[in-house]
Amino acid sequence: GQQVMQIPQYQHVQEGEDFTTYCNSSTTLSNIQWYKQRPGGHPVFLIQLVKSGEVKKQKRLTFQFGEAKKNSSLHITATQTTDVGTYFCTNSGGGADGLTFGKGTHLIIQP
Amino acid sequence: DTEVTQTPKHLVMGMTNKKSLKCEQHMGHRAMYWYKQKAKKPPELMFVYSYEKLSINESVPSRFSPECPNSSLLNLHLHALQPEDSALYLCASSQDPPSGTINEKLFFGSGTQLSVL
Repeated sequence: GQQVMQIPQYQHVQEGEDFTTYCNSSTTLSNIQWYKQRPGGHPVFLIQLVKSGEVKKQKRLTFQFGEAKKNSSLHITATQTTDVGTYFCTNSGGGADGLTFGKGTHLIIQP
Repeated sequence: DTEVTQTPKHLVMGMTNKKSLKCEQHMGHRAMYWYKQKAKKPPELMFVYSYEKLSINESVPSRFSPECPNSSLLNLHLHALQPEDSALYLCASSQDPPSGTINEKLFFGSGTQLSVL
């Protein structure tokens, strides 16, 4: 399927620092979804982006969809220990391609 | 805190055993999914049921056999598994099946941690 590439694979930050993960594709994406999975937990839906250049905010989280719809980012301001986990993106275009997760970014926070 | 319920939470089985994983949702969702997840890896799609019919099978070995008895239930029957099949098996559901240009968001259960000895 059409897989999205995520970077970085791992990110260590001090508590209070900002964090950004990127999701990139060589082809235009229909839409993109972001999920968070806590250690020992299951993926939880965060957001879906549909429009070119779209920006959405959820408290300290900011999600962006690129103008060309080939990349997306998730930015967390002033990380907290509750932000620990793995952040996955998936191209949510219709069909099986949209059900394939990126490899994820593992966020580790040092208090 | 999930509306998708999976049982059992943990399962240990031998390579000659037959076991089943169960998943239930009462949100009226019309699509249900099985994913397999290895440690530190993303979930990998196995099967999709749309309106109780198998719509996607991602070339999964026949030792995994899915079943959808009704719109709320999804089973995964396991037989003659291998140690490399040890993983977290996640069930998910969505309001509508994947189709067209956009997929619905997925609601995941807490998973069954499977160990094959």
